[in-house]
Amino acid sequence: QVQLQQSGPELVKPGASVRISCKASGYTFTSYYIHWVKQRPGQGLEWIGWIYPGNVNTKYNEKFKGKATLTADKSSSTAYMQLSSLTSEDSAVYFCAREDDYSFDYWGQGTTLTVSS
Amino acid sequence: ENVLTQSPAIMSASPGEKVTMTCRASSSVSSSYLHWYQQKSGASPKLWIYSTSNLASGVPARFSGSGSGTSYSLTISSVEAEDAATYYCQQYSGYPLTFGAGTKLELK
Repeated sequence: QVQLQQSGPELVKPGASVRISCKASGYTFTSYYIHWVKQRPGQGLEWIGWIYPGNVNTKYNEKFKGKATLTADKSSSTAYMQLSSLTSEDSAVYFCAREDDYSFDYWGQGTTLTVSS
Repeated sequence: ENVLTQSPAIMSASPGEKVTMTCRASSSVSSSYLHWYQQKSGASPKLWIYSTSNLASGVPARFSGSGSGTSYSLTISSVEAEDAATYYCQQYSGYPLTFGAGTKLELK
């Protein structure tokens, strides 16, 4: 069965960077886009970007260019999102999701990022 | 950016009641690229309805979706307690991909 397993909660200081992982299983990792979505506490969903592991092409929401960097490791079927120059505005839950035919059919469990000194 | 406006923001329904929530886009969305997700508190979103009117696997038949262009809706024919959640619409018609702010369905 398809699963996306994300890394655990992170507590990081302002100005630092963090890398969140999303390990895929149960399907051919290189054949599906992986998207990343941000959800601030009590708020809605915000699309960050996608990566296609087959050729590591990426597409970003302009709002997150310079903030997020998406990568993927085919050997471990894992997608990564690095967030840099963190501020309190980056405190949120981050989800990875698999795209199938333009919708997000499987989601990771979410990774909670807290930025605090 | 294609802004999706969902209404109402919060709705309350009694079990057995029929409810409809709407999603309006600032620019036209192809019906193939308009989707709905259900999210319960503390959980990940789940694909609920894809391409306007197709129920995702495991979604009860009391749910339905319709619409075209800039106006879409999700209807529950007879609400059950397990339907309490927030429902988000999402478009994949253009970049950036966008979600509506959600409609929170509460049960009386």
